[in-house]
Amino acid sequence: KQEVTQIPAALSVPEGENLVLNCSFTDSAIYNLQWFRQDPGKGLTSLLLIQSSQREQTSGRLNASLDKSSGRSTLYIAASQPGDSATYLCAGASTGGGNKLTFGTGTQLKVEL
Amino acid sequence: EAQVTQNPRYLITVTGKKLTVTCSQNMNHEYMSWYRQDPGLGLRQIYYSMNVEVTDKGDVPEGYKVSRKEKRNFPLILESPSPNQTSLYFCASSLGVADTQYFGPGTRLTVL
Repeated sequence: KQEVTQIPAALSVPEGENLVLNCSFTDSAIYNLQWFRQDPGKGLTSLLLIQSSQREQTSGRLNASLDKSSGRSTLYIAASQPGDSATYLCAGASTGGGNKLTFGTGTQLKVEL
Repeated sequence: EAQVTQNPRYLITVTGKKLTVTCSQNMNHEYMSWYRQDPGLGLRQIYYSMNVEVTDKGDVPEGYKVSRKEKRNFPLILESPSPNQTSLYFCASSLGVADTQYFGPGTRLTVL
């Protein structure tokens, strides 16, 4: 059974800092790994999707990497801004589970002025 | 605009009163899912559908029903809601099994 862990649970950084959010998963038989952003009281916004055959994906100031052999993914945020404050969730889609995403419990990020 | 919509966004009801939460997507996606989000437990899949008339259980299907009569719609039915079904519910859709999943805005359900 897939289990996804995110560390740290909360993170506070000053504006402009580069930061890394970590995600680990137990089952390497995944289709892909997806990173989401959730703002308080809002839905989930998809940030990046990394297919199992890929090593990384980039979108603007965001870069996500995937290492299936070690069961790890990281989300790198460059030059953080107060608008980046949100909860970041990673989720793995495992083969044999339909399209089920197994989610971590998230990292709550606060970027301070 | 490509989107997943859910209705209602907020619902307060009483134990045992049947309710339906609707979900609709306009992206011609094959796959649709329902998740619930609870503090400390994260998001867990309730049911998913691979196409019209094809549905299967997720991790926490007890107390829920779904149907997929049309490709765009995937309603979640609680025939006899109980307080432990108080939660934030999300509908999601994707083109294929390994494609990006797009989530609706959520439905906050309180069962008294």
